[in-house]
Amino acid sequence: KQEVTQIPAALSVPEGENLVLNCSFTDSAIYNLQWFRQDPGKGLTSLLLIQSSQREQTSGRLNASLDKSSGRSTLYIAASQPGDSATYLCAVKDSNYQLIWGAGTKLIIKP
Amino acid sequence: SAVISQKPSRDICQRGTSLTIQCQVDSQVTMMFWYRQQPGQSLTLIATANQGSEATYESGFVIDKFPISRPNLTFSTLTVSNMSPEDSSIYLCSVEQGRSEQFFGPGTRLTVL
Repeated sequence: KQEVTQIPAALSVPEGENLVLNCSFTDSAIYNLQWFRQDPGKGLTSLLLIQSSQREQTSGRLNASLDKSSGRSTLYIAASQPGDSATYLCAVKDSNYQLIWGAGTKLIIKP
Repeated sequence: SAVISQKPSRDICQRGTSLTIQCQVDSQVTMMFWYRQQPGQSLTLIATANQGSEATYESGFVIDKFPISRPNLTFSTLTVSNMSPEDSSIYLCSVEQGRSEQFFGPGTRLTVL
């Protein structure tokens, strides 16, 4: 059974720092992996989608990597800003085509 | 990317009543998904709604409690029936497009008193 873990559960860093959020999964047989952002009480915004055949995707200050063999993905945020403060969720589409969710990392960027 | 709207954005309801949540997508999609996010928790899939067929419910969710309609390829409703305080959650509509990318609506924040 696929399980997705996000570490750390919470992270607080000063503005301007580069940071890395981690997502690990137990079964390497995945279709894709998607990173989302959620602001408090709101819906989810898709940030990056990585297909199983890809190693990384980039959008602006965000870069997501995928290493299926080790069951890991990282979301790199460059030059963090207070507006980046949110909960970041990782979701894996498994071999049954089901989305399996991590519990999220709550990120606070201090001005 | 798909643009999804939900109504209402939030509501406060009394125990024992029902609320219907609407989800509208700006393009035709085959599958629509309904999720629940309880306070401080990650997302839980309630059901998958395909146009022209009965919704498929996940374990722990039943049609009598969460009836779903899918009258066309751009619209769906989820009803939360006979509500109790334990139903207080954010309810999210989602669709899948293109390379299996998932998109979400803004959510409906429900509080049951």
